[in-house]
Parts: sequence; structure tokens; C-alpha cells
Amino acid sequence: SQTIHQWPATLVQPVGSPLSLECTVEGTSNPNLYWYRQAAGRGLQLLFYSVGIGQISSEVPQNLSASRPQDRQFILSSKKLLLSDSGFYLCAWSVQNYGYTFGSGTRLTVV
Amino acid sequence: GESVGLHLPTLSVQEGDNSIINCAYSNSASDYFIWYKQESGKGPQFIIDIRSNMDKRQGQRVTVLLNKTVKHLSLQIAATQPGDSAVYFCAENMGDYKLSFGAGTTVTVRA
Repeated sequence: SQTIHQWPATLVQPVGSPLSLECTVEGTSNPNLYWYRQAAGRGLQLLFYSVGIGQISSEVPQNLSASRPQDRQFILSSKKLLLSDSGFYLCAWSVQNYGYTFGSGTRLTVV
Repeated sequence: GESVGLHLPTLSVQEGDNSIINCAYSNSASDYFIWYKQESGKGPQFIIDIRSNMDKRQGQRVTVLLNKTVKHLSLQIAATQPGDSAVYFCAENMGDYKLSFGAGTTVTVRA
């Protein structure tokens, strides 16, 4: 069966520090991968998606970047965090544009 | 921006009653819809999906109805239980591998 792993679960980082969140998927090949951000009490905003290794599409201009070094690995990064980067970050995967499955999320607090 | 919106942000329901959560979407070309349940601090959990060639789909205690004429989607939960308390999101497949989410409806089950 397919599983998705996302870590860490919580993270507190100072303003200006770098960020690296990792997501891996098991049990499937060539998934579409996604990074979403959710502000408190709000819906999910798509940040990045990837349909293959090295292929990244950005949905909104921001202080973040994404990379896909391996088929089932998706990384969200920042060189210098801003206060506004705080939020709940969710990784998700799908196959053939159906059945989107989410990870457990990372609560990021920038202080 | 988000093209999927929910009619009501909150819903309070008596335990044992049926719940109906509504959702409006704007993209008439969308061909796939999903309902998610999100508990506090967790990632969204898939409940049920429906493709645009269907009007109704049933799962365990849940039914999704799709009215393409008025671009309306609903989730019905039968015999609502305390464990059903959560935020419910509808999501719309916008094509190009992406999902668009509404802001969510908070369901509170009264004992």
C-alpha cells in the first residue's frame, strides 16, 4: 500500500534562518507531488507541484522553493525565513490526477 | 485564487442526526471532486470522491451529490457521531494536476 511521510511534525525557526521540509512517498512510482500551506482557520493554498524528477511548478511568488531530487522525494526550502512563512505545511501525492493523499503536516512557527 | 467555496463556515448538528455540507464551484470544466475531513493538527483525510460523469456516490455513512447544472456539491453524513466533528473541505480538480480547495466548514456534533 502507498504511504506518505512528512517531517518534522513541528518546527520553530528564527527569522532569517534556512528551512528544509522533506516528504517521501512509498508504494508508488512517478507520483505527482504537491506542497500546500494552510493558515490557521483557512483553506489550503497550493505552493508547488511536480509531475516528475526535477520538474517543479510554482503557483505563487514567495520566499520558498521546492525540489524533487528523486522520484518519490519532495523538498520544501527557504534560504531565509520570514515571519509570514509561519503556517501548516502539507505534502500530498496523486497518480494520474486522482486520489490526492496528504501527509500529516508540519507546523512551522517563525519567531 | 480559490474557485471552490462553501456556503456556511460552521455547522452544529445533534448526535444521531444527518449532516449536510454544501459546496459551490465555479469551473464548469472540472471533472473530479473530493471531500476531505481534517481534524485539528492533522492532514486532510480523504472521505469520498466523485467524477463529473456521476450525480451521486455513496460510501460508509457518507453520500456525495453532484449537481453540474448549478455547480453544486454536497456531502451528507448519516447518523452523525462525535468523531465526525472536524473541518470538511471540498476540492475541485482544476486540470493540470491541481486541486483547488474551499475555505472549509467546521462541523460540531452536540451530544
